[in-house]
Formats: sequence, structure tokens, C-alpha cells
Amino acid sequence: GENVEQHPSTLSVQEGDSAVIKCTYSDSASNYFPWYKQELGKGPQLIIDIRSNVGEKKDQRIAVTLNKTAKHFSLHITETQPEDSAVYFCAASIGGYQKVTFGIGTKLQVIP
Amino acid sequence: GAGVSQTPSNKVTEKGKYVELRCDPISGHTALYWYRQSLGQGPEFLIYFQGTGAADDSGLPNDRFFAVRPEGSVSTLKIQRTERGDSAVYLCASSLGLAEETQYFGPGTRLLVL
Repeated sequence: GENVEQHPSTLSVQEGDSAVIKCTYSDSASNYFPWYKQELGKGPQLIIDIRSNVGEKKDQRIAVTLNKTAKHFSLHITETQPEDSAVYFCAASIGGYQKVTFGIGTKLQVIP
Repeated sequence: GAGVSQTPSNKVTEKGKYVELRCDPISGHTALYWYRQSLGQGPEFLIYFQGTGAADDSGLPNDRFFAVRPEGSVSTLKIQRTERGDSAVYLCASSLGLAEETQYFGPGTRLLVL
């Protein structure tokens, strides 16, 4: 089955700096890569996703890149704000309407 | 509109007892998923329903775990003879189904088995 590796496990940045989280996946059939943000005591919330026919996607301060050949994908957050502090999960699936395999999560702390 | 709701929000039980966890998906969503999240880990897939039928139950850890969705809306995850290792947050998600990929998660049920 699919295996998703995520790093770093924790990340501290100064407010206004950029944060980068990297993931790799094992199953070359995976074609949908969502990123979720989870705040304490809440369920994960989708923040951005990318499909395998696209190499990059951007939404305001958030961007994701995908390298299908290397099976790498990354989340980039620019101009970080304290409210960006949360746990971020990368994930992969073969068509998002099936089971999704999550990474272990990255705890992001933005220091004011 | 209303999101995915889960009840109870917290459940404490004793080893060996039976528990039921309920999920109310977003209205109109045909696909429903259960995940289990242990402390410090990402959610792990348990089972996926398309309508009333379980399309993929490959993530259920053993036969103590069972889930139903009799009318294609509300789902119940049932755990028999609970063990301390079952303690986790159980998350439910729903999506429009078919080719719609975005899964919307509920807040989870925190299960503690003493």
C-alpha cells in the first residue's frame, strides 16, 4: 500500500518568514495530494490540494509543488502569521474519493 | 451550512466494553470515511462507504471493529471488547462522492479505554 513520509516533524519560524514542509510517497499510482491543517481539538481542514497533472499550485500565501518523477511534494507558506501555527499533514491517494494515506504531521510554530 | 458532526465528542469506557461512535455527514454527501488518529500521528484510514455499502474496509484492524451506514447517511462505528490500544481520536469525513475528491472532516470522537 501507499506510504507517505513527511518532514520535519516540528518547525519553528519567525513571523513573516517562510515555512516549507516536504513529503514523499511510494505508490506511483497516487494522483491526488491534499494538504490538511489541524488545530488543537479539531478535525483536519483541507487547505490546498494538487493533482498529478499539475506541477505547482498557489493560493495566496500557500503553494504546493509536485515532482512526480521523484515522488516528492512540498508545501510552502510565505509571510507566516501566528494563526498559521498548527499541525500540517500531507496526504496521497489514488483518486481522492477513496482512502487517503496521511503523513505523520508537522507541528508548525510561528513565533510573533 | 452544517459540517460533519460526530457524537459523542468524548467517550470513556472500560476494557472489554462495547462502544458506538456516530457520524452525521454533510447533507447530500454520498461518500463517508472513518479514520483513527493516535496521539502524535496522522489519521489512519479505517473504512469507506459509497452510499450504504462499504466500498473499502481494508483499514479495519480486526473483527472487533465494524461500521454500518444503513440508509446512506448517518454512520456508526462499532467496537466490541474494547482494548486499551483502541484509545484514539476517531475521525469521520464525507465527500460528494463520485469524482469529488475533497473530504470534509468532523471534529472527532476522543475514545479512552481504561
